[in-house]
Amino acid sequence: GIQVEQSPPDLILQEGANSTLRCNFSDSVNNLQWFHQNPWGQLINLFYIPSGTKQNGRLSATTVATERYSLLYISSSQTTDSGVYFCAVDSGSARQLTFGSGTQLTVLP
Amino acid sequence: NAGVMQNPRHLVRRRGQEARLRCSPMKGHSHVYWYRQLPEEGLKFMVYLQKENIIDESGMPKERFSAEFPKEGPSILRIQQVVRGDSAAYFCASSQRTSGGNNEQFFGPGTRLTVL
Repeated sequence: GIQVEQSPPDLILQEGANSTLRCNFSDSVNNLQWFHQNPWGQLINLFYIPSGTKQNGRLSATTVATERYSLLYISSSQTTDSGVYFCAVDSGSARQLTFGSGTQLTVLP
Repeated sequence: NAGVMQNPRHLVRRRGQEARLRCSPMKGHSHVYWYRQLPEEGLKFMVYLQKENIIDESGMPKERFSAEFPKEGPSILRIQQVVRGDSAAYFCASSQRTSGGNNEQFFGPGTRLTVL
């Protein structure tokens, strides 16, 4: 099956810093989603981005489908950005999501 | 608009008991997916259902686990004779899956199952 790799696995930032999270996938995909799992365990949809670039406030994402990677940019990070960021791709016939192992982000005040 | 709803949020069972997890998809969504998140791991696909049909259960253990999505009511994930290894967070997601190919999935808050 398809492989999804995220980097870095852990990231510690000072409040106000910028960061880039990467997601590589091993085969062509129908779609790609980015999620934030907050400290309470809830999965929040960030982006639905099979290709191109999208922006939502301090967050933006770019997917280059032909090169099989996606990037999530977080600018001016805040402590509330802490949590795990997951990339997930939709590639199977059932369109189920295959998740990466996540990036654990800690933003310090 | 109400999001995906799951209940209970927390469930404690003793080994050998049954666990029933419920999921109500977002309004207008007819596609339901169940995922499991073991401690310190990412989410793994279990089963995909549409109303009254199991479409793909390739990620679900062959024994003790079953799922349904009846014509009326929520989707149910059922685990019989639970063991400690079943302790995990179980998430349900729903999608609208348009003819244009959009299959964005939205997740419920999850059910945290603890097996004593």
